[in-house]
Amino acid sequence: LAKTTQPISMDSYEGQEVNITCSHNNIATNDYITWYQQFPSQGPRFIIQGYKTKVTNEVASLFIPADRKSSTLSLPRVSLSDTAVYYCLVGHPYDYKLSFGAGTTVTVRA
Amino acid sequence: NAGVTQTPKFQVLKTGQSMTLQCAQDMNHEYMSWYRQDPGMGLRLIHYSVGAGITDQGEVPNGYNVSRSTTEDFPLRLLSAAPSQTSVYFCASSKGWGDTFQETQYFGPGTRLLVL
Repeated sequence: LAKTTQPISMDSYEGQEVNITCSHNNIATNDYITWYQQFPSQGPRFIIQGYKTKVTNEVASLFIPADRKSSTLSLPRVSLSDTAVYYCLVGHPYDYKLSFGAGTTVTVRA
Repeated sequence: NAGVTQTPKFQVLKTGQSMTLQCAQDMNHEYMSWYRQDPGMGLRLIHYSVGAGITDQGEVPNGYNVSRSTTEDFPLRLLSAAPSQTSVYFCASSKGWGDTFQETQYFGPGTRLLVL
C-alpha cells in the first residue's frame, strides 16, 4: 500500500475554499486516490475518487498532477458543517487492507 | 435500505469479559470489514471478509475473532476484553472491488466500547 502524508489540521472561515494536499510518493501504476470525510461520532463517508487529472462532483474537486505523487482535495465555499476529518487513501482496486491514516482535521469558523 | 447497522451503540465491559459486536448490511455487499478508532487517530483495520465463509486479518487482529456465515452479517467477538480495547468500532461494507476502480465503502454508525 502506498503511504500517504497529509497535514494534521487546517483552519478556515465560512465561504472560503479549502485545499488539502496529500502526498503519496510511492503510488503504483494501478492505484487510485480516494478521499473520505468523517464527522464527529459518525463513520467515514466517501467524497471523491480519481486516477489522474481532475475529478469534480457536487461536493468537491480532486486535482491530480501528471506524476501522481500528490493530490489535492478542494472544498469550495466551505460552511460550518464542513468541519470534519478528511482522509486520503491510496490503493489499487483489489486492495483488501485499506488503511486510514490520522487524516486532516478541518475546522471552519464563522 | 437500512445500510450498515451496528449494535450495540455503547457498551461497558469489565476486564476479562467477552462480547460480540454485531454488524449487518442489507446491500448484498461481498466485502465487509471492522475498524477501530482510538481518540485522535485514524481507523485501523481489525479483520475483513471478501465473502461468506472467507475472513482474514487486518492490521490489529489480536484479541478479536470474526466469522462470516452469511453475506449480511459480520460479527466481531472480543474474547477477553482488556482496557486497551477501549475504542470506537466501525463496521463497513462494499460491493467488492471493481476491475478499474475501488468500490465505495459504507460505514456503520459505530459502537463505543469502554473496558474497565
